Amino acid sequence: AQSVAQPEDQVNVAEGNPLTVKCTYSVSGNPYLFWYVQYPNRGLQFLLKYITGDNLVKGSYGFEAEFNKSQTSFHLKKPSALVSDSALYFCAVSRHIFNKFYFGSGTKLNVKP
Amino acid sequence: EAGVAQSPRYKIIEKRQSVAFWCNPISGHATLYWYQQILGQGPKLLIQFQNNGVVDDSQLPKDRFSAERLKGVDSTLKIQPAKLEDSAVYLCASSQPGTQYFGPGTRLLVL
Repeated sequence: AQSVAQPEDQVNVAEGNPLTVKCTYSVSGNPYLFWYVQYPNRGLQFLLKYITGDNLVKGSYGFEAEFNKSQTSFHLKKPSALVSDSALYFCAVSRHIFNKFYFGSGTKLNVKP
Repeated sequence: EAGVAQSPRYKIIEKRQSVAFWCNPISGHATLYWYQQILGQGPKLLIQFQNNGVVDDSQLPKDRFSAERLKGVDSTLKIQPAKLEDSAVYLCASSQPGTQYFGPGTRLLVL
């Protein structure tokens, strides 16, 4: 069965500091991994994805994520956090590019000035 | 490029009433998804269409939920009769291979 775990309900970081939002996954076969961000009363906005290739994936708004097959992780990172990054972040996994996504429970990121 | 459109944005109904949501995907996207997002949880897939055919509806409560995509473009999701536990945000997404793009969602409150 496919599943995603986001172990932290909330992450607090000061503006200008690096941030990490954690994600681990379980899937049979090769995973397709995604990060989305959700602002209040908005839909999910695509940030980045890993399909194949380089383990370090760069996405929108300065975010990046590192795929680690041995640890089955896909952590989201940003070198310098902005207050405007405060939002809800979801990790998702799929077995195939046409298959449904399995989402984690989300991590609320709070960036304080 | 226009995004995924959904309407209405908000709906309040009483239990046992019926409700319908509409979604218009990004032009050219053959795959359309409906997700249910309960407060504090990640989205859960209800149904997936490929053109006008159903690919996956394994988690759709078929005794009360129905969905259609008759012409392979826009789609409607219906709940009849609604229960209190159906209070959630209903998200529509469409995809080109590899990436799903989401609409703003419809927030449903069942009283």
